[in-house]
Amino acid sequence: EAQVTQNPRYLITVTGKKLTVTCSQNMNHEYMSWYRQDPGLGLRQIYYSMNVEVTDKGDVPEGYKVSRKEKRNFPLILESPSPNQTSLYFCASRTEGQGAGTEAFFGQGTRLTVV
Amino acid sequence: GNSVTQMEGPVTLSEEAFLTINCTYTATGYPSLFWYVQYPGEGLQLLLKATKADDKGSNKGFEATYRKETTSFHLEKGSVQVSDSAVYFCALSDRGATNKLIFGTGTLLAVQP
Repeated sequence: EAQVTQNPRYLITVTGKKLTVTCSQNMNHEYMSWYRQDPGLGLRQIYYSMNVEVTDKGDVPEGYKVSRKEKRNFPLILESPSPNQTSLYFCASRTEGQGAGTEAFFGQGTRLTVV
Repeated sequence: GNSVTQMEGPVTLSEEAFLTINCTYTATGYPSLFWYVQYPGEGLQLLLKATKADDKGSNKGFEATYRKETTSFHLEKGSVQVSDSAVYFCALSDRGATNKLIFGTGTLLAVQP
């Protein structure tokens, strides 16, 4: 079954304690990205990756890091989380296909609370 | 820059009512347009899409037509069901180097029996 798997689904942590949210896809997609979803703001892109070892900032990258060492995995790293990073996070993947209107597949989401 | 504007919710309807959720966009060039749906506790999933002007996307009784002249992609369904209750996101994909998805703020639909 084609899927994007995120872990954990729920996480409560304290300010400053480093954490990693994992994301893995089994569709051999080149393009992966991370979004955060906040009320009234929709989904905003944090980082994206167009292929292995190629990553770039999205619209709200401050306080986040990513890596793309393998095609299937795209972890999101919060080196020193702060309360304003409390949000619902989604990982997504899609084929590269520029201009083709390719479908993005989303993970189930990670609800992060930073206290 | 590119952006998507969709009507604010929540939208509350009775079962079998007609649904319209408005979506307009601003973009240079010719973006692809999408509607994604998010059921409670789940991630987003593609509902329908259109990749060029005058295309109509359809799925599960929902429809939307890519209108370049009005820069719109309104979502419609003739008869909603309780199971359609969800958050609906309009989105565009720019065809530039990043091929990024840009989302609207989402519209919560609540269908009552």
